[in-house]
Amino acid sequence: DSGVTQTPKHLITATGQRVTLRCSPRSGDLSVYWYQQSLDQGLQFLIQYYNGEERAKGNILERFSAQQFPDLHSELNLSSLELGDSALYFCASSPGTSDSTDTQYFGPGTRLTVL
Amino acid sequence: AQSVTQPDIHITVSEGASLELRCNYSYGATPYLFWYVQSPGQGLQLLLKYFSGDTLVQGIKGFEAEFKRSQSSFNLRKPSVHWSDAAEYFCAVVRISNSGYALNFGKGTSLLVTP
Repeated sequence: DSGVTQTPKHLITATGQRVTLRCSPRSGDLSVYWYQQSLDQGLQFLIQYYNGEERAKGNILERFSAQQFPDLHSELNLSSLELGDSALYFCASSPGTSDSTDTQYFGPGTRLTVL
Repeated sequence: AQSVTQPDIHITVSEGASLELRCNYSYGATPYLFWYVQSPGQGLQLLLKYFSGDTLVQGIKGFEAEFKRSQSSFNLRKPSVHWSDAAEYFCAVVRISNSGYALNFGKGTSLLVTP
């Protein structure tokens, strides 16, 4: 158990809908990262937040957005969903003392299925 | 840009045999490298990491990896594989850009362990 929690574990929805994925980081960690894992793209970095502010951005679509709240939990919002958005979404957290060398601890993921 | 390549998509080894999973990196300076393992239905767990210093790195579960700058490699090894080692293994490098840091993952190597 990494100490990172993600809810829900599974999510099934229809095209065009909007969903919210939730992540609670390890106690004391200030950085939260979101990754998408799909069969064709592999593991792709989406976005990082540090203590409530956006720190780094990766291959995140404009239909996707995220935020980190004062209690440090984070939410990833996916809108106008398409079939291709079906994937496993991971949240990871790290202490935030050094982004380049900190270990990122991964949650169990949320499996999103878009029908 | 910093990237890693895992040349082997699948590897099959017999229980008790030795294991080597290959990872090649692309980066001019000394990269920050990681190996993660993903068991079915689980998140990613850090096995080991390399930033600098001793090029032979020891990790959890009996794994080790050796950084070889001349070969741009960071191969993961285990002297004797157990059936519980069957999983997906990912090599990753810290990607440094104007927008911050994130992990760039290889496509992964799926390990099958036979009796």
